[in-house]
Amino acid sequence: DSGVTQTPKHLITATGQRVTLRCSPRSGDLSVYWYQQSLDQGLQFLIQYYNGEERAKGNILERFSAQQFPDLHSELNLSSLELGDSALYFCASSARDMNTGELFFGEGSRLTVL
Amino acid sequence: QKEVEQDPGPLSVPEGAIVSLNCTYSNSAFQYFMWYRQYSRKGPELLMYTYSSGNKEDGRFTAQVDKSSKYISLFIRDSQPSDSATYLCAMSAKRAGAGSYQLTFGKGTKLSVIP
Repeated sequence: DSGVTQTPKHLITATGQRVTLRCSPRSGDLSVYWYQQSLDQGLQFLIQYYNGEERAKGNILERFSAQQFPDLHSELNLSSLELGDSALYFCASSARDMNTGELFFGEGSRLTVL
Repeated sequence: QKEVEQDPGPLSVPEGAIVSLNCTYSNSAFQYFMWYRQYSRKGPELLMYTYSSGNKEDGRFTAQVDKSSKYISLFIRDSQPSDSATYLCAMSAKRAGAGSYQLTFGKGTKLSVIP
């Protein structure tokens, strides 16, 4: 158990809809990262928050947004969903503000868009 | 050319075999090198972490980094069925002109260890 909690584990929704994925980092970790994993693209970095502030941005679509709350949990909002958004979404946390690679991943949220 | 190349496999070996997993990369700025293990329907788990060139050993696992050849390897000795998983290499470099680091993952090699 990595100590990172993600909900929901599975989500099935329709195109055009909006969903929110939630992540609680390991106790004491200030950084939260969101990654998308698909078969053809592998693990793609979306966005990082450190202690409530956006720290780095990756290949995140404009339809997607995230935030980190004062209690350090984070939410990833996906809107106007398309079929191609079906993927596994992982949250990871670390103690550092720099992504030098020591990440602890949650078990992921599997999103299916029909 | 992709920044990080990793053979997706699948790789199938008998129990007890020595497994060699490899990644090549093109960005000479990479400084930190990792191997993650991902079991089916689980999140990636950090297995080995190294900084710069050299070897690092942890039990049955050895990670090697050769920066001159831009090549990293993970060796698994006395492989077990419980080692069956997807192995992802990853590497991190400081972003040019920014104060942050970029972590890039390989696509993973699927390994099966047959009893």
